[in-house]
Amino acid sequence: KAGVTQTPRYLIKTRGQQVTLSCSPISGHRSVSWYQQTPGQGLQFLFEYFSETQRNKGNFPGRFSGRQFSNSRSEMNVSTLELGDSALYLCATSAGFSYNEQFFGPGTRLTVL
Amino acid sequence: GESVGLHLPTLSVQEGDNSIINCAYSNSASDYFIWYKQESGKGPQFIIDIRSNMDKRQGQRVTVLLNKTVKHLSLQIAATQPGDSAVYFCAEDSGYALNFGKGTSLLVTP
Repeated sequence: KAGVTQTPRYLIKTRGQQVTLSCSPISGHRSVSWYQQTPGQGLQFLFEYFSETQRNKGNFPGRFSGRQFSNSRSEMNVSTLELGDSALYLCATSAGFSYNEQFFGPGTRLTVL
Repeated sequence: GESVGLHLPTLSVQEGDNSIINCAYSNSASDYFIWYKQESGKGPQFIIDIRSNMDKRQGQRVTVLLNKTVKHLSLQIAATQPGDSAVYFCAEDSGYALNFGKGTSLLVTP
C-alpha cells in the first residue's frame, strides 16, 4: 500500500510570491490534515479536510488556504509569501477519526528568500 | 493559553540503556495524548497513545505514563537502540486537531 505522497519535496520562493503544495493520501483515506513545522513554533495545525469540506481550521492568517478534490487529494496554498513562512509543511491522512490510524507524509520543505 | 511542552530539548543515551522523555501539558481537560517519533527527512510516526482514564500503557519496548495530578506525560523506551535516534513529540488532542510539543531529540550512542 503506497504511503502519503507530498509534492514537491523542496521548494524555494521569494517574498510576495504564492505557492501551492499537494498531498495525495493513502488509498481510502478521506481526511487530510495540514501542519506547519518550524524550529521555533514546532508543529502547528493549519486545517483539515474531509470529503472536500474544510472541517477544522487552525489559527493561521487567511493567506493560508486549502482545498480537497473528489479523489481526496488535497492542496494548500500560501499567498503573498513572507520569510516566516519558511517551514516544513506536513500533511496527515486517515480513513477514520482515530489518530492511531493517521499517517504523515514526508513533508514539503518551503524556503522563502 | 493552553500548551504542550517538553522538559528537555536533547537527550543522549547509550545503546542498551533505557530512555525517558518527559512532557508537560497545561490543559487539564485533555483526555487523549500521543507520542510521535520523527526521523530525519520523514514525517512524524505514531508510537503510542493513552487516554486520561489510564495511568500507563505499554507497547513494544515503549511505555507511556500519565500523571494527571501534575499534568505530566512520559515516554519510556527500553533497551534503546541506534534506530531509536530521532525527535520525539508528545501531542494532545484539542478536540479537532493535535497540539504538539516542541520535541526532544534523542541521540543513541554506541
